[in-house]
Order: sequence, then structure tokens, then C-alpha cells
Amino acid sequence: QQQVKQSPQSLIVQKGGISIINCAYENTAFDYFPWYQQFPGKGPALLIAIRPDVSEKKEGRFTISFNKSAKQFSLHIMDSQPGDSATYFCAASKRYTGFQKLVFGTGTRLLVSP
Amino acid sequence: DVKVTQSSRYLVKRTGEKVFLECVQDMDHENMFWYRQDPGLGLRLIYFSYDVKMKEKGDIPEGYSVSREKKERFSLILESASTNQTSMYLCASSTSSGRNNQPQHFGDGTRLSIL
Repeated sequence: QQQVKQSPQSLIVQKGGISIINCAYENTAFDYFPWYQQFPGKGPALLIAIRPDVSEKKEGRFTISFNKSAKQFSLHIMDSQPGDSATYFCAASKRYTGFQKLVFGTGTRLLVSP
Repeated sequence: DVKVTQSSRYLVKRTGEKVFLECVQDMDHENMFWYRQDPGLGLRLIYFSYDVKMKEKGDIPEGYSVSREKKERFSLILESASTNQTSMYLCASSTSSGRNNQPQHFGDGTRLSIL
């Protein structure tokens, strides 16, 4: 059973456009929601993360929007660039003896066309 | 910069073989993880370790075991490889010290094919 549902599976956006990836979760014990970015041939790397006590977090062109009541969160990439083409994973976690044990979504492959 | 190194980028083994995947991190991290990545399924946690000689099952531990004899090294073992274990395997590490929610740092993966 997928604890974190992610959509869409793939996304094509024109350069300069807005990319939006959505995730939903069921477990209300989750208290940390990161997004990871993975380029071909590389491991995932943390992009941005949010805790449920805020509704939005922005870092440069990347914004997480969080809706606690709906148990949904999304990643917005403003002014999308070809260099943003990668696979994006949302994740959720709850604290486990000193660290976060992550549950990942299924991933979204983003292609930003020039 | 944190570096997580996986010993092989590509590995081809035969059904029934015992397979070892090795992972080393250079940042003195307490926590280490093994995931497998499959198209359409995302990353799934196989095993993790929060201290030397400590290990915990993740979501899909069947057919796998792990070893952590030294803090910097975490090995994934396929006891008797099967074709359904063909996958990309990712190792990660994180620290428990400092502020909450320390990120996991990933290696670049080992693509394992079982024939």
C-alpha cells in the first residue's frame, strides 16, 4: 500500500512555465515532508522540505504548499528551466529514534523543453 | 561535502548467487539506509541501521540481510539472488546530531541485474 501518493507520473513543461507536482498522504503522524531531486545517473538529493506547522515554504524558484486538513502537499517550480529536468520524489516521515524514516512517493519525471 | 560511495555502478550476477553490495560514507553519520528504486514504485526502504551492529527491517526486507561492522560501512546482502531482485539499489546516510530533520545523503546507486 502506497503511503504517499504522487502525481503526475511524468510532466512536460515549457521553459519559463510553472511545474506543479502533487502528493497526498494518509498517516497523520507524519511530521516532515521533504522533496528530493534526482538527475540521471545520480542519487536523489534534498531539494526543499516543510514541517506541517507552516502552509508554505519558498526557496528561490521552488515552493512547497502544504494543506494539513486535506493531507496534501505540492511542489511548485516557477520559471522552469531545462536544468530542472529531473525526477522529483516527495516523501513523508515521522521521527524514529533520532532520525527521520522516510516514505517516498513514486516519483515524477519532469522534462522542461527549451 | 558528504560523500556516500557505492562500490559498483553496475553488477551482473546469476540466480542463486550470494551478492554483496557495499556502501561507505565519509561523514561519521550514525544512520545508514538501503533502498531499492524501481520505475513506478519510487524508493522503497529495505533495511536501515542507526548504530554499529544495529539493524532494523524496512518495508521490503524479504530476501535481503545487512551488515554494519564499522560505522562508515553498510553492506546489503542478497542471500540467494533471484530475478525479481534486479533493480537499482541506493545507499544513504544521515546524522542524528544537531537540529531535527537532517537530510539523507544518497550514493549514485548500483544497478544490479540478476540473470
